Amino acid sequence: RKEVEQDPGPFNVPEGATVAFNCTYSNSASQSFFWYRQDCRKEPKLLMSVYSSGNEDGRFTAQLNRASQYISLLIRDSKLSDSATYLCVVNEEYGNKLVFGAGTILRVKS
Amino acid sequence: EPEVTQTPSHQVTQMGQEVILRCVPISNHLYFYWYRQILGQKVEFLVSFYNNEISEKSEIFDDQFSVERPDGSNFTLKIRSTKLEDSAMYFCASRPRPRGDEQFFGPGTRLTVL
Repeated sequence: RKEVEQDPGPFNVPEGATVAFNCTYSNSASQSFFWYRQDCRKEPKLLMSVYSSGNEDGRFTAQLNRASQYISLLIRDSKLSDSATYLCVVNEEYGNKLVFGAGTILRVKS
Repeated sequence: EPEVTQTPSHQVTQMGQEVILRCVPISNHLYFYWYRQILGQKVEFLVSFYNNEISEKSEIFDDQFSVERPDGSNFTLKIRSTKLEDSAMYFCASRPRPRGDEQFFGPGTRLTVL
């Protein structure tokens, strides 16, 4: 079983649409959770950390369900500039490695 | 805003040659990492480094790989005898504290082994 699993997409959506990505992780002892964004051939950049209480940053909302080992990202009012690969990332132990999902491709079209 | 830097941006080498990839982490960070991403695949952990020693390494990080922090700023990854399958993007990352903080990534070095 993959450690972090994501739907690869691509998700093709029009500008202004709302789109949701999901991710599941296998290690129930995982400690911290993140969504990173990666543009083509660039480095991963932190989009937001994910907390059990849920958190929101502008148009982006992230949610964590520890019981189901499930993480989600909701993007409202999609912009062309949101087009990228969204990486679900899990830190299995504080201070150590990040485990990456393969990413979900988002394409926002005008 | 402080950032992680990496040099070179692209390195082309012949199979069997040694390469050294260089990173300058963010200055007040204490935890350093190398990851790689083969084209079209996911980002994979290679090694973590703290207090001048390796704290964890993956199965990929075999005897051909080594890391060093030769001075107060640089953090290097050496591949002793490159193979074709070492061709990938290599990302350096750093973190200020161990617990729950995000890691900040450099722009990467694209290594091409011919």
